[in-house]
Amino acid sequence: QVQLVQSGAEVRMPGASVKVSCKASGYTFTSYDINWVRQATGQGLEWMGWMNTNSGNRGYAQKFQGRITMTRNTSISTAYMELYSLRSEDTAMYYCARVWGSADVWGQGTSVTVSS
Amino acid sequence: DIQMTQSPSSLSAAVGDRVTITCRASQGIRDALAWYQQKPGKAPKRLIYGVSTLQSGVPSRFSGSGSGTEFTLTISSLQPEDFATYYCLQHNNYPPLTFGGGTKVEIK
Repeated sequence: QVQLVQSGAEVRMPGASVKVSCKASGYTFTSYDINWVRQATGQGLEWMGWMNTNSGNRGYAQKFQGRITMTRNTSISTAYMELYSLRSEDTAMYYCARVWGSADVWGQGTSVTVSS
Repeated sequence: DIQMTQSPSSLSAAVGDRVTITCRASQGIRDALAWYQQKPGKAPKRLIYGVSTLQSGVPSRFSGSGSGTEFTLTISSLQPEDFATYYCLQHNNYPPLTFGGGTKVEIK
């Protein structure tokens, strides 16, 4: 079945970086974009950016410009999101989602905690 | 960028009630509107896409309607498993994706 499986929970110190992976299965990885969305506890969904998994083209929400990189490895059908210069406000659940029009399949989420 | 205003932010309803949630876009978004359900500790689940197309496996008590800038999610008869938070998403001129602020449906 179609699924996205994300890497496990992470804890980081302020100022560090974190890299989250999202492994796709059950479909042709390069046929769909992967987007990243985050959600702080008790808050709404916040779009972070997108990647065309075929071309590698990508774009980021202005809020994260200069502090985020999205990459992919097509040989293992995996997308990555790396966030730098972490601060306490980055503590959240991070989701990858497959997008064709809207987001139809989501990963299970990766909890990232930023704390000293 | 397009802004999505979702209302109400929360509501209390009883099992069997009819529930309506609205999303208003800051400009016309054609049919680029989807609805999601999210339960605590879980990823969002798509219920409806293209304004009114029901995702496979989603009960028919869920329906979507609207056009232009105003859209509605209706639950015709609220069931115990429907207590959750609901989000709209617009994808006109993607990227970006823009979510509404969410509606938490609680038990009365």
